[in-house]
Amino acid sequence: EAQVTQNPRYLITVTGKKLTVTCSQNMNHEYMSWYRQDPGLGLRQIYYSMNVEVTDKGDVPEGYKVSRKEKRNFPLILESPSPNQTSLYFCASRGPGSALPSQYFGPGTRLTVL
Amino acid sequence: QKEVEQNSGPLSVPEGAIASLNCTYSDRGSQSFFWYRQYSGKSPELIMFIYSNGDKEDGRFTAQLNKASQYVSLLIRDSQPSDSATYLCAVNSPGNQFYFGTGTSLTVIP
Repeated sequence: EAQVTQNPRYLITVTGKKLTVTCSQNMNHEYMSWYRQDPGLGLRQIYYSMNVEVTDKGDVPEGYKVSRKEKRNFPLILESPSPNQTSLYFCASRGPGSALPSQYFGPGTRLTVL
Repeated sequence: QKEVEQNSGPLSVPEGAIASLNCTYSDRGSQSFFWYRQYSGKSPELIMFIYSNGDKEDGRFTAQLNKASQYVSLLIRDSQPSDSATYLCAVNSPGNQFYFGTGTSLTVIP
């Protein structure tokens, strides 16, 4: 089954404790992206990657890091989380071979930073 | 800052009616336009995409694009209670970034 998986789905942590949210896709997609969704602000792109070893900042990259060492994986790293990073995070992927030109979204990771 | 604007609603329509959702965007270079449906607590799922000016129909859904007015709309005919969700408008810039509106909440009343 074609899918984007994220782990963990729920995470409660404390300020300053480094964390990584993993994202993996099994569709051989080149394009992957991270979003955060906040009430009243909608989905905002954090980082995106056009291919392995190629990453670019989205609209809200501050406080986040990403890496793309393999095509299938695109982890989101919060080196020193702060309460304003409490949000719902989505990973998405998109490829030229997709039947639709849109993005496939993962199930989301709800992060709470205390 | 590239912007995508939607009326947040809530929009309520009776079952069987037409629901009309609207979206404007600021970047004239935007190339692709998408409508997603998102149920509470779930991830967005694609309903329609459109590239060219005019209408595009898929079942009960019609997307309309007017690039001169920088306007995208979604019509849902014969609305069903299962259509109750938040609808997100998104645009794809030439730089491969995606910009989303804040969404319009739709409630279809049985």
